[in-house]
Amino acid sequence: KAGVTQTPRYLIKTRGQQVTLSCSPISGHRSVSWYQQTPGQGLQFLFEYFSETQRNKGNFPGRFSGRQFSNSRSEMNVSTLELGDSALYLCASSPNPSGRITDTQYFGPGTRLTVL
Amino acid sequence: AQSVTQLDSQVPVFEEAPVELRCNYSSSVSVYLFWYVQYPNQGLQLLLKYLSGSTLVKGINGFEAEFNKSQTSFHLRKPSVHISDTAEYFCAVSAGSQGNLIFGKGTKLSVKP
Repeated sequence: KAGVTQTPRYLIKTRGQQVTLSCSPISGHRSVSWYQQTPGQGLQFLFEYFSETQRNKGNFPGRFSGRQFSNSRSEMNVSTLELGDSALYLCASSPNPSGRITDTQYFGPGTRLTVL
Repeated sequence: AQSVTQLDSQVPVFEEAPVELRCNYSSSVSVYLFWYVQYPNQGLQLLLKYLSGSTLVKGINGFEAEFNKSQTSFHLRKPSVHISDTAEYFCAVSAGSQGNLIFGKGTKLSVKP
């Protein structure tokens, strides 16, 4: 099976712009989670989507949003970018029908976002 | 609320030596525990997980971890490390009812020849 793919791998934006990141899960996985990784804060959970519905949400401002399509692909959007949004954004997929985390999450390589 | 503390930010060790990466968690409910590894410029890969049952969990690449409920710890061990084990290791916890992982800050393992 192909792994989790994320596009683009690298992105440079300026403050105030918006950005959309894409994640294609492993075939058959219906749960997609997004995480932000920074040197200062480490790995932080953004949100999780299952069958096109946001099922779980972390503690991030409303500038961070996401959606999931019927083929389970997910996009994450950040509006009005700030310097502090510079980070590695990771997505992870799993079968996870129950909403609990017992299923293994498979991570993609991430999108490195740099905000200037 | 759950939290995870990885006590060492960096651990240097010589090749073929044993290593232990420490992880402590706090939670008021039962938890699931995980160790992930991240190689440079890559995503995270699951090493092992504890859901229930035996407290000694064996994972990939010769790693194992022991769940200690009384000490709220989940330390990762390997009896003999290789250069290829150089990476950053993350401990994570999830409460039974939640669908997301809470990660520690990570431990950078550096294996020297």
